[in-house]
Amino acid sequence: DQQVKQNSPSLSVQEGRISILNCDYTNSMFDYFLWYKKYPAEGPTFLISISSIKDKNEDGRFTVFLNKSAKHLSLHIVPSQPGDSAVYFCAARVNAGNNRKLIWGLGTSLAVNP
Amino acid sequence: DTEVTQTPKHLVMGMTNKKSLKCEQHMGHRAMYWYKQKAKKPPELMFVYSYEKLSINESVPSRFSPECPNSSLLNLHLHALQPEDSALYLCASSQVAAGTSYGEQFFGPGTRLTVL
Repeated sequence: DQQVKQNSPSLSVQEGRISILNCDYTNSMFDYFLWYKKYPAEGPTFLISISSIKDKNEDGRFTVFLNKSAKHLSLHIVPSQPGDSAVYFCAARVNAGNNRKLIWGLGTSLAVNP
Repeated sequence: DTEVTQTPKHLVMGMTNKKSLKCEQHMGHRAMYWYKQKAKKPPELMFVYSYEKLSINESVPSRFSPECPNSSLLNLHLHALQPEDSALYLCASSQVAAGTSYGEQFFGPGTRLTVL
C-alpha cells in the first residue's frame, strides 16, 4: 500500500517555464514532507521541506505547497533549467520518538528541454 | 563538512565472498541509515542507527550485518549475497533531536554493488 504517491512517472517541460511535480499521501501522521532530487548513479540530494503546519515554503526557484485537507503537496520550479533534469522524490516523515523514518514516493523523472 | 562519504564506489563480489561497505560523516549527526536502491525505484530503508544503537531493522536478511563503531562511522558487512542483492547501497545521516529538526537526511553517493 503506497502511502506516498507520485502519480506522474515523468514530466517534460521547456526551459524557462514552470515545472510542477505532484505528490499525494494517505497518512495523517506525517509531520514533515521533503523533496529530494536524484541524478543517475548518485545519492539523493535534499531540496526543500515543509512542515505539516505550514502551507508554503519557498527557497529560490523552488516552492513547495501543502494542501493538508486534500493530502496533496506540489513542488514548483520556476524558471526551469536544463540542469534541473533529474528524478524528484517526494518523501514524508513519520516521527516516532528518536526514530525518523521517511516514506518515499516512486519518483517523477523531470526533463527540462533547452 | 556537510558530506557523507562512502567507500568503495563500486564493488563486484561472488556469492561466497565477505565484504564490507563503509560510510562516514562529520556533521555531528547521531542518526545514520542504510538504504538499498534499485534502478527506477525509490530508496528502500534497511537499517537505522540512533546514537550508535540499532533502532530500525526493516526485516533485512541476515546476510546483511550493520555495525556502527562510533558516531561518525557506519559499516555494512556482506556475506553470502545473492545476485538479486545487486543494487546501489546508500548511506545517509540526519540530526536526531526533536523540536526544530527538519529530519532531512543527507545521502552519500552510494556504493554500486554487483553480485555475480
